[in-house]
Amino acid sequence: GNSVTQMEGPVTLSEEAFLTINCTYTATGYPSLFWYVQYPGEGLQLLLKATKADDKGSNKGFEATYRKETTSFHLEKGSVQVSDSAVYFCALRDGGATNKLIFGTGTLLAVQP
Amino acid sequence: DVKVTQSSRYLVKRTGEKVFLECVQDMDHENMFWYRQDPGLGLRLIYFSYDVKMKEKGDIPEGYSVSREKKERFSLILESASTNQTSMYLCASITNVGGTGELFFGEGSRLTVL
Repeated sequence: GNSVTQMEGPVTLSEEAFLTINCTYTATGYPSLFWYVQYPGEGLQLLLKATKADDKGSNKGFEATYRKETTSFHLEKGSVQVSDSAVYFCALRDGGATNKLIFGTGTLLAVQP
Repeated sequence: DVKVTQSSRYLVKRTGEKVFLECVQDMDHENMFWYRQDPGLGLRLIYFSYDVKMKEKGDIPEGYSVSREKKERFSLILESASTNQTSMYLCASITNVGGTGELFFGEGSRLTVL
């Protein structure tokens, strides 16, 4: 079945460091791919998405490119801030009309001043 | 502003109690979901509903049931709570009609079963 694998955390960085969180997927067909973020004490919210191969999603300085050849959707940011500290989830939309999302296990990012 | 509201942020229950977790969305979404979030396991789908009175099992439905009597409300029921159901529960909704493909989440209900 479809699945998402993302790097384990926690990831600890200093402010202004470069961030990469790896995400790979297994799926039949061409699923839509998402990154969700969960700030402390809150629910998940959509960070960015890509719906087809070579699409680049971007938001708040974060980017991810849908790579069909490597089945990857790695999250990157050039210069992280303390306010980026959160849990990041990679997800894919399962096929069909129900719009189910399959999530990775989440990666905790801690940014230190 | 779109909103998914979960009735309780924190609950403490005893083993064997019946527990109701309520979720209401104001976006007229067709699909609603209940996920469970545990450290190292990510989000796991318990049940989902794609229409009023319709429900389907997710990946971990054992020990849970759901109710969707109205389009805006999706309830998760633990018939007899057990300690291994101590977790964070997240409700979410999404539209089937147009939209951006974004799943909207509530803030979560943290349940502790003693």
